[in-house]
Amino acid sequence: ILNVEQSPQSLHVQEGDSTNFTCSFPSSNFYALHWYRWETAKSPKALFVMTLNGDEKKKGRISATLNTKEGYSYLYIKGSQPEDSATYLCALDSNDMRFGAGTRLTVKP
Amino acid sequence: GAGVSQSPSNKVTEKGKDVELRCDPISGHTALYWYRQRLGQGLEFLIYFQGNSAPDKSGLPSDRFSAERTGESVSTLTIQRTQQEDSAVYLCASSPSRDAAPLHFGNGTRLTVT
Repeated sequence: ILNVEQSPQSLHVQEGDSTNFTCSFPSSNFYALHWYRWETAKSPKALFVMTLNGDEKKKGRISATLNTKEGYSYLYIKGSQPEDSATYLCALDSNDMRFGAGTRLTVKP
Repeated sequence: GAGVSQSPSNKVTEKGKDVELRCDPISGHTALYWYRQRLGQGLEFLIYFQGNSAPDKSGLPSDRFSAERTGESVSTLTIQRTQQEDSAVYLCASSPSRDAAPLHFGNGTRLTVT
């Protein structure tokens, strides 16, 4: 079982700020690293799936990178908006799919 | 197309009763996962089905929990002799394959054990 750690646990930023958070894991022996966005009262929605060391993915103002050698992935949000407020989850696809505890982002207008 | 469907959306049961939760995955999705989220906590892995392979049950918290899936269709999660600590949102997710495919989640079943 691979433990996935996410930091920080929560984050409060002002509208327009750029921010980033971290997902760390102990091993490179996995199929893929996933990022999900989970809004209150909704179900988690996939943002990115990354497989290779050095992978970078981008969707609008949100991007992610993967470093399998050092065991971390970063999620970046540029110019945060109130609608970005959500919990951001990462998950490691190895023999099963284990999620980190998430980073709860609040963007204040 | 239709997404992952879970039923019921809400279930209130008395301590000691058995409950059955249902998940209809997206058609053609071979992988199916069950998770739960207890109040204030993250997503806790319960069980994983992949095609006709033996399921990965390593996340089931006790022998009161069991799950079945027939082929690549509907799955049921059964909790026997429910306890108050079983109260949680139970989420089901499916994906088309193991090859780095994202999970598609249902809206969950909120279980309250009184």
